[in-house]
Amino acid sequence: QQKVQQSPESLIVPEGGMASLNCTSSDRNVDYFWWYRQHSGKSPKMLMSIFSNGEKEEGRFTVHLNKASLHTSLHIRDSQPSDSALYLCAASKSNYQLIWGSGTKLIIKP
Amino acid sequence: GALVYQYPRRTICKSGTSMRMECQAVGFQATSVAWYRQSPQKTFELIALSTVNSAIKYEQNFTQEKFPISHPNLSFSSMTVLNAYLEDRGLYLCGARNWGGETLYFGSGTRLTVL
Repeated sequence: QQKVQQSPESLIVPEGGMASLNCTSSDRNVDYFWWYRQHSGKSPKMLMSIFSNGEKEEGRFTVHLNKASLHTSLHIRDSQPSDSALYLCAASKSNYQLIWGSGTKLIIKP
Repeated sequence: GALVYQYPRRTICKSGTSMRMECQAVGFQATSVAWYRQSPQKTFELIALSTVNSAIKYEQNFTQEKFPISHPNLSFSSMTVLNAYLEDRGLYLCGARNWGGETLYFGSGTRLTVL
């Protein structure tokens, strides 16, 4: 079973809407979470990272982290067609080993 | 299913020596392989992208002379860190993708410690 679970597997959001993606780690030895975005045919690029409880906002993107439940979520407001991509969540341990989720495929419909 | 095995999981080398890491794709054809480095407390940096039968594209600050990559077939890729020094320590990750596929399958990483 995946130690980092992402949901939903795929998501369709109308342009201008809010996209919400979830990620939970079942490995309690993780301490950092990373969100990556991978456009079709491209390598993944880091989108946002979060280490502390609470919320972090960068432009249209907001990440939440609840360290007690090891749950993080990524929210994209005013979604644009260019946001259509595969969103990967990764959790890292203090020894730098990474655990990856399988991704959420986000489609923004014009 | 599609898997990427990366080895070794961790390695220690003396300053000035070299080490090689390998990635094996299982269940799909690894047309493209990307190599990443995550330095301590930092995010991933893309080192290079290798596509079979094409030139390997290195990102800024990374060179073939320092990180030679081999991608001889659709299931295997290796990268060597030559003359490793402290700044080279970190987690090295390979990600492999098949032609036309959107999903990049990642190995579990090779953690490099330089003494």
